[in-house]
Amino acid sequence: DIQMTQSPASLSASLGETVTIECRASEDIYSNLAWYQQKPGNSPQLLIYDANSLADGVPSRFSGSGSGTQYSLKINSLQSEDVASYFCQQYNNYLTFGSGTKLEIK
Amino acid sequence: QVQLKETGPDLVQLTQTLSITCTVSGFSLTTYNVHWVRQPPGKGLEWMGAMWNGGGTDYNSAFKSRLSISRDTSKSQVFLKMNSLQTDDTAKYFCARQEGYNYFDYWGQGVMVTVSS
Repeated sequence: DIQMTQSPASLSASLGETVTIECRASEDIYSNLAWYQQKPGNSPQLLIYDANSLADGVPSRFSGSGSGTQYSLKINSLQSEDVASYFCQQYNNYLTFGSGTKLEIK
Repeated sequence: QVQLKETGPDLVQLTQTLSITCTVSGFSLTTYNVHWVRQPPGKGLEWMGAMWNGGGTDYNSAFKSRLSISRDTSKSQVFLKMNSLQTDDTAKYFCARQEGYNYFDYWGQGVMVTVSS
């Protein structure tokens, strides 16, 4: 099974800041990676697919990058509505999720 | 519009069987694949299995032979059945529609299931 190691587990940043969340796969996943945002009490929402493609309706301040085993999600100009947990998901070989990053406003 | 809705029990007794129904609208089960994902309270997401649009299924090996997924296309419903429940099966159970290779563009609101001893 492919393991996804996500970091950091939690993150506190100020409004307007840029934050980066990372995921490392235990083997090459060939950019078969998605990022989701989950607000408290809600279902996950797709942000990024194929490592760097923005899902419909997602603000352009969200971006994804990476290749091989290393991937990242960047949020520019942090807004209050970005408070949420973020999860990566690989789909190169079956499906596994990262452990999540809880983002708070400082 | 696309919608998925899970219905099932709030509480299941230890060692009993869990049955959850995912009713979809706005798309056809013969066109899209539907997956099951669960999330224990305060924890991360775990993929459980999939119902392929052609009628086949696939499962996370972690659930061994405990898990069964089926569907009724005439009712636009996908079913999850899992037996021998333990306390660590307490979780919110989601169904989700697959888009593209294997990521999810629409999710249900989830159903929270507590396994009680």
